[in-house]
Amino acid sequence: DAGITQSPRYKITETGRQVTLMCHQTWSHSYMFWYRQDLGHGLRLIYYSAAADITDKGEVPDGYVVSRSKTENFPLTLESATRSQTSVYFCASSESTRDTQYFGPGTRLTVL
Amino acid sequence: AQSVTQLDSQVPVFEEAPVELRCNYSSSVSVYLFWYVQYPNQGLQLLLKYLSGSTLVESINGFEAEFNKSQTSFHLRKPSVHISDTAEYFCAVSTSGTYKYIFGTGTRLKVLA
Repeated sequence: DAGITQSPRYKITETGRQVTLMCHQTWSHSYMFWYRQDLGHGLRLIYYSAAADITDKGEVPDGYVVSRSKTENFPLTLESATRSQTSVYFCASSESTRDTQYFGPGTRLTVL
Repeated sequence: AQSVTQLDSQVPVFEEAPVELRCNYSSSVSVYLFWYVQYPNQGLQLLLKYLSGSTLVESINGFEAEFNKSQTSFHLRKPSVHISDTAEYFCAVSTSGTYKYIFGTGTRLKVLA
């Protein structure tokens, strides 16, 4: 299917566990982004990538790791999950900063 | 540094009434401005955007926004809302030469019957 997909859609994990959230887009967009959405904070950028093998930190990168070995995939890893990382995570892609960002459906992560 | 302020966290309005959702930004350089809409349990979708040219931009479902450079605002308006417009609305700003958007904290629009 064309578009941007995220998996899993829902995840419950425990403090200290490693978790990887997947993001896949079929448009070959250059830019990809990871956001977290929390009540009262809106969307905050965690990491972004301008192309394969080029990534950079956003506003709230601590505790997260990303990689982009292929243009279409942009996984986000929580190396040792904490309760404060309970959130809804959105992946997005775009062709440039002037262009629309296309968002995935989100992953709701709960850390117990 | 860029920032975006959405002054209202929630806006209740009756069906067929007009609505304005406010957005102010700060930036020392030229900006691109966006409004996104998020329906429950979904990702964000673009509603409309200002890149350059005419300061009044419109969406296909009756929303419009006006870029006001002197007031650094990009307020979203609709003359007559429907129940189906109930959603959360996010204003975002980007600038040339950066990869990033800055999002506002969102305004929850609730349309009442």
